[in-house]
Amino acid sequence: AQTVTQSQPEMSVQEAETVTLSCTYDTSESDYYLFWYKQPPSRQMILVIRQEAYKQQNATENRFSVNFQKAAKSFSLKISDSQLGDAAMYFCAYRQPRSGTYKYIFGTGTRLKVLA
Amino acid sequence: EPEVTQTPSHQVTQMGQEVILRCVPISNHLYFYWYRQILGQKVEFLVSFYNNEISEKSEIFDDQFSVERPDGSNFTLKIRSTKLEDSAMYFCASSGRPQETQYFGPGTRLLVL
Repeated sequence: AQTVTQSQPEMSVQEAETVTLSCTYDTSESDYYLFWYKQPPSRQMILVIRQEAYKQQNATENRFSVNFQKAAKSFSLKISDSQLGDAAMYFCAYRQPRSGTYKYIFGTGTRLKVLA
Repeated sequence: EPEVTQTPSHQVTQMGQEVILRCVPISNHLYFYWYRQILGQKVEFLVSFYNNEISEKSEIFDDQFSVERPDGSNFTLKIRSTKLEDSAMYFCASSGRPQETQYFGPGTRLLVL
């Protein structure tokens, strides 16, 4: 069975600095999707970034980028130039793209604090 | 931008009572999901729903749970006889097609006393 592990329950970063959130996963599949979702306090989870496993190039979205290491089954999120609005819970998630199951498998989340 | 909404945001109930959690998915989405997160634990998949049928369900989704799309906009999760261990945050999600990104609601925090 697939699992997702986020080993950092909480992280802090100074405003304008860079922080990296870790995520590892376990799967026997070769094709899958990985996601980072952000959940601000009392708000819904919103998609930050998505990576297809067959793509070697790391996904980027503005200040957010990932370091996808397929062999190591690692999928870390880097936030550059951190802003106060980045403070949130961040969830890493895995999903198989094939028909039959589209459920997400989530990690336990990392709470990011941004210090002014 | 369209959003998934959920009501209520918080619900407190007595053990053994029935609760209905409501979700309004994004209007042109056809695939709907419920997840839950017990405090301090992982977000877990409960059920997926398409074309008025359950597509997939987890082992958590036993006979005490049911889902329904009573009209063209709402998607509900019913727990018939709540247990203490049902206390959790329940998230609804929707997607246009099953392989597309799922969009999540803000969650309903359920507390069973």
